[in-house]
Amino acid sequence: NAGVTQTPKFQVLKTGQSMTLQCAQDMNHEYMSWYRQDPGMGLRLIHYSVGAGITDQGEVPNGYNVSRSTTEDFPLRLLSAAPSQTSVYFCASMLQPTSNQPQHFGDGTRLSIL
Amino acid sequence: DAKTTQPNSMESNEEEPVHLPCNHSTISGTDYIHWYRQLPSQGPEYVIHGLTSNVNNRMASLAIAEDRKSSTLILHRATLRDAAVYYCILRGDAGGTSYGKLTFGQGTILTVHP
Repeated sequence: NAGVTQTPKFQVLKTGQSMTLQCAQDMNHEYMSWYRQDPGMGLRLIHYSVGAGITDQGEVPNGYNVSRSTTEDFPLRLLSAAPSQTSVYFCASMLQPTSNQPQHFGDGTRLSIL
Repeated sequence: DAKTTQPNSMESNEEEPVHLPCNHSTISGTDYIHWYRQLPSQGPEYVIHGLTSNVNNRMASLAIAEDRKSSTLILHRATLRDAAVYYCILRGDAGGTSYGKLTFGQGTILTVHP
């Protein structure tokens, strides 16, 4: 059981480039989300999805797009990378978005924007 | 979201028990108390959660005060692999768009000495 799989693990981009961070889960979880973690700070929610075809913004959505065409996949797109988006990105999933459900996290994508 | 307060850091010796405290004086009646930990260079990992009663699992125990205004995560025998940042997080069914979000504070940095 792979859990939550993120690819790539590391990426370096130039300002203005675009890329997609991949996230896949094999647990048939309804809820998936993306967080970013900056040095010395807690995780901040970027976007989330409560099911295929349904996405919504978190607390720091600017500069990022998401889509959820299948239950398993929840890619995060940077359309025009900026140095402020240098961060570690974590994808998470849980069975249902209720308060008694644990979330499962991937190992992260470490992204540097030059 | 109700706020939690944790010590910035704690230290322990290997194979000794560790008690990690968390204060949450503004907790509501429907808030679950969740604990996650983050090992160096990894994504957060779910540890345990509870509502009112003490809880045990293979990783740890959660002791919840009778008035629910505080809780303690107990690692029965610390190992070097338990060195991590431990986060105490409250999650409630507030409805709307916030119910899936985890609000990470600064957490407690646990150092385990050989």
